[in-house]
Amino acid sequence: GAGVSQSPSNKVTEKGKDVELRCDPISGHTALYWYRQSLGQGLEFLIYFQGNSAPDKSGLPSDRFSAERTGGSVSTLTIQRTQQEDSAVYLCASSLGSSLGYEQYFGPGTRLTVT
Amino acid sequence: GENVEQHPSTLSVQEGDSAVIKCTYSDSASNYFPWYKQELGKRPQLIIDIRSNVGEKKDQRIAVTLNKTAKHFSLHITETQPEDSAVYFCAARDNYGQNFVFGPGTRLSVLP
Repeated sequence: GAGVSQSPSNKVTEKGKDVELRCDPISGHTALYWYRQSLGQGLEFLIYFQGNSAPDKSGLPSDRFSAERTGGSVSTLTIQRTQQEDSAVYLCASSLGSSLGYEQYFGPGTRLTVT
Repeated sequence: GENVEQHPSTLSVQEGDSAVIKCTYSDSASNYFPWYKQELGKRPQLIIDIRSNVGEKKDQRIAVTLNKTAKHFSLHITETQPEDSAVYFCAARDNYGQNFVFGPGTRLSVLP
C-alpha cells in the first residue's frame, strides 16, 4: 500500500506569508507526528496526534505554528507570518498506534525555504 | 523532559570494519529506543529498536545494546559496507509523553 505522503515537496515563500503543509498518513494509522529538520541537524519534535486530538503540543516553537488533523487522517501544519528561521525540512510520520513498539513511518518531507 | 545525546557526530571507518554509535538519555521513564538511518535526501527509516526489558537485540550485521542503569544504548554495525554510509539517529520514548526525542545524529562514512 501507499506510504506516508506529504505535499508540497518543496515550498518557497516570502517572509511574512503564511504556509500550509499537508501530511497523508498510512491508512489506518492512528498516530501522527510532525518533526522539523534543519540542514545537517537532527529531528526536532513539533506535535503529535492520536486520532484527531493532540495530547502533546509542547514542541511547537511559537504561536505562529499550529496543526490540525481531521477525520483521524490528513493533517495540516500551518505556519503564519513565516520567518527565515522557519526554513527547514518538515517531516511527518505515522504509526499504527502510540503504544510501545509501533514503528514510525516517515514521509518524504516538505522542504520549506523562506526568502 | 527527555534529552538524548549522541556520539560521535561523525565517524569514518574502512569497509569491513565495525562501527559503534553511542547515545545517552536522561529520563529513566524512557522505555523504547529506536535507531533510524537517513540517506542523503531521503526520509529516516527504522533499522532496529529495543525495549527497556531487553539488554541486547541483533539483526544480521546490526545490533543494539541497552544499559538501563547507566541510561545509554549503542548501535553496532559489523562488516560495514559502503551502502551503510548515512546519518544515523537514535531516539528515546516513554509511555507518558508518547513523543520521540531524537539525538543529533551521526554521519557514518564507510570508505572502500
